[in-house]
Amino acid sequence: GAVVSQHPSWVICKSGTSVKIECRSLDFQATTMFWYRQFPKQSLMLMATSNEGSKATYEQGVEKDKFLINHASLTLSTLTVTSAHPEDSSFYICSARVNSPLHFGNGTRLTVT
Amino acid sequence: DAKTTQPTSMDCAEGRAANLPCNHSTISGNEYVYWYRQIHSQGPQYIIHGLKNNETNEMASLIITEDRKSSTLILPHATLRDTAVYYCIVWIVDQGGKLIFGQGTELSVKP
Repeated sequence: GAVVSQHPSWVICKSGTSVKIECRSLDFQATTMFWYRQFPKQSLMLMATSNEGSKATYEQGVEKDKFLINHASLTLSTLTVTSAHPEDSSFYICSARVNSPLHFGNGTRLTVT
Repeated sequence: DAKTTQPTSMDCAEGRAANLPCNHSTISGNEYVYWYRQIHSQGPQYIIHGLKNNETNEMASLIITEDRKSSTLILPHATLRDTAVYYCIVWIVDQGGKLIFGQGTELSVKP
């Protein structure tokens, strides 16, 4: 089946630094990618929708200048957490679609110290 | 906001069928019912989806009521590896809609 690869699987960074997370569709071209965030014991929360070649659409309450999304090709979308703070520590998950169903990466555990 | 309601948690004995209910009383005619599950610290895994008819694949069966206001995911012979959070989601695929997750059901399969 379709595979979505996310890298890194975990990252620890210091407060104030930026972290980039990559999401790749390995065996299909994804016109749309989604980024989710999940805090412990909670469900997935959609952060933004990323369309290839255009600006991402952010959900209400998500700071677009803090969470920079770039969807430069049909197989790669990146999420950069800028000036990370401890409250940004979370599990970040990407997903990609060309048709149905939506396929998910295995997530990136971000810890900001 | 999620358009589905699921029980918070359920237990099931290993080897028995697990029946996970989902209410989606406001579902519209072109919305599909999707089921995903998430094993701890992993990304969600697609299980099955349907529009009107009951569906079956190698993982599970999906039973959708005739009025489409509710559905049940059936894992026919639950194993310990089926312990996960199961999400029922309604989604308009063709319009490129967003997949919005509710709180899901935490299924514990016990020996």
